[in-house]
Amino acid sequence: SQQGEEDPQALSIQEGENATMNCSYKTSINNLQWYRQNSGRGLVHLILIRSNEREKHSGRLRVTLDTSKKSSSLLITASRAADTASYFCASNSGYALNFGKGTSLLVTP
Amino acid sequence: NAGVMQNPRHLVRRRGQEARLRCSPMKGHSHVYWYRQLPEEGLKFMVYLQKENIIDESGMPKERFSAEFPKEGPSILRIQQVVRGDSAAYFCASSPLDTLPSYNEQFFGPGTRLTVL
Repeated sequence: SQQGEEDPQALSIQEGENATMNCSYKTSINNLQWYRQNSGRGLVHLILIRSNEREKHSGRLRVTLDTSKKSSSLLITASRAADTASYFCASNSGYALNFGKGTSLLVTP
Repeated sequence: NAGVMQNPRHLVRRRGQEARLRCSPMKGHSHVYWYRQLPEEGLKFMVYLQKENIIDESGMPKERFSAEFPKEGPSILRIQQVVRGDSAAYFCASSPLDTLPSYNEQFFGPGTRLTVL
């Protein structure tokens, strides 16, 4: 079975609105990382949150981690058209990152 | 400070040919990871290497696929006798030497998109 399932699969919002994406994982982790991927491009690392952290901020990004529920959320505030991309969470319990299928975010002007 | 470099960016092969994908990690990084992304899917771990050593190849298909990270030069992912199902984007990531991989951010290259005709 696959680690790191994102929810929703697709999200469409207007510029200026906030976007929230959720992620669940199955086993205990050392950290959880969020990545962005523009269509047909590579992955850009957004933020890493360690298992002993509950919340982390970076610019317009806010990530939370609830290890009791094995879940994480990514909040993008004041979204822009340039935020249009796929967003992946990746749980890390050893060497490998375990990715979900991602949330496809569309931000319309 | 160059990021992770991969080449070629696009590779087209006919069934039965060999594909060689190259990855140069970021400067100062000695851990290399290979992932495969099928269309509309997330990335799947294939193999983790350090210089001259394969540490974990649990995600690698048992046949036709091999990886190396020699003392000098880039890491190579080699796919022999390619089939249509090998068509995917192959990403390489690297992380630094001096902390445990499980606590490190992994920095990804732009990927190689393999198309098997």
